[in-house]
Amino acid sequence: EAQVTQNPRYLITVTGKKLTVTCSQNMNHEYMSWYRQDPGLGLRQIYYSMNVEVTDKGDVPEGYKVSRKEKRNFPLILESPSPNQTSLYFCASSLLGTETKAFFGQGTRLTVV
Amino acid sequence: DAKTTQPPSMDCAEGRAANLPCNHSTISGNEYVYWYRQIHSQGPQYIIHGLKNNETNEMASLIITEDRKSSTLILPHATLRDTAVYYCIVRDDYKLSFGAGTTVTVRA
Repeated sequence: EAQVTQNPRYLITVTGKKLTVTCSQNMNHEYMSWYRQDPGLGLRQIYYSMNVEVTDKGDVPEGYKVSRKEKRNFPLILESPSPNQTSLYFCASSLLGTETKAFFGQGTRLTVV
Repeated sequence: DAKTTQPPSMDCAEGRAANLPCNHSTISGNEYVYWYRQIHSQGPQYIIHGLKNNETNEMASLIITEDRKSSTLILPHATLRDTAVYYCIVRDDYKLSFGAGTTVTVRA
């Protein structure tokens, strides 16, 4: 089954404690991205990657890092989480091209206290 | 700078067709219209997309006006499980820019 898998689904952590949210897709997609969703602000892109070792900033990259060492994985790293990074996070993947559909993960609800 | 305009909310009776409008008056010739939906807090789900012709798949139909300045997503027989936020997106590259969408509530 084609899918994008995120882990963990829920995470509560403390300010400053480094964490990684994993994202993996099984569709051999080149393009992967991370979004965060906040009430009243909608879905905003954090980072994206167009292929292995190619990553770039989205609209709200501050406080986040990503890596793309393998095609299937695109982890989101919060080196020093802060309460304003409390949010619902989604990973997405698609083929390259303007006529492709994106697949989204189930979401990770992160709370930073 | 939103590229699309959608009504914030709409209700629909179960079993009836739901017609969701979207205005995209600044769309350019090579931009596609995409529709996604998000049920509660799940990941957005692709519904349909089109360039200029009307499109239909197992989930919905997409009607795009001849001047391409607006479109309508049609859910032919809405069910309670279609209650969701529906996003109309004009896409010019790989990025999906989500607006506020239309919250559709299907009532029994």
